[in-house]
Amino acid sequence: ETGVTQSPTHLIKTRGQQVTLRCSSQSGHNTVSWYQQALGQGPQFIFQYYREEENGRGNFPPRFSGLQFPNYSSELNVNALELDDSALYLCASSFAPGQGADTQYFGPGTRLTVL
Amino acid sequence: KQEVTQIPAALSVPEGENLVLNCSFTDSAIYNLQWFRQDPGKGLTSLLLIQSSQREQTSGRLNASLDKSSGRSTLYIAASQPGDSATYLCAVEDGSNYQLIWGAGTKLIIKP
Repeated sequence: ETGVTQSPTHLIKTRGQQVTLRCSSQSGHNTVSWYQQALGQGPQFIFQYYREEENGRGNFPPRFSGLQFPNYSSELNVNALELDDSALYLCASSFAPGQGADTQYFGPGTRLTVL
Repeated sequence: KQEVTQIPAALSVPEGENLVLNCSFTDSAIYNLQWFRQDPGKGLTSLLLIQSSQREQTSGRLNASLDKSSGRSTLYIAASQPGDSATYLCAVEDGSNYQLIWGAGTKLIIKP
């Protein structure tokens, strides 16, 4: 167990809807990263938050947005859902910003299905 | 643009065998390379992290090597066990923007 939790475990939405996914980081971890993993693919970096500020962003449109809170929790919001948004969404926490200099601890993921 | 490739996509071997998983990347300007294990419903677990200045890292039955100049890394698993069955992913940290770029993984099945 990494101490990183995500909710919900599974979620089904329809095209055009909005969704909020939640992550609770390990205590003391100031950095949270979100990834999208399509079936049979490796994770794709969405963005990272460090001390409640966005600290880097991958090649994802603005309808993907996030928030990080002082209590080590964070959210990923996706507006105007598209079928291609169906994937496993992973969050990972670490002490330091950047992504590889420090070990990241991953949550179990949220499986999002868009119909 | 950095691309990471893992070969093979799937591998099935009998218990007890030693095996090698391969990872290649196109741009040698990496900050480090990591190997992860992914189990269904349990997220990703970091196995080994190799800094760009290092050649290898070892943890128990696992040994990972890194050859930056040729853009290759291998993960060696000794005396495989059924509990090693999982998907193994490698990821490189891009030296310019610190993003992790991932391979698609190798699905490993160890048969008892």
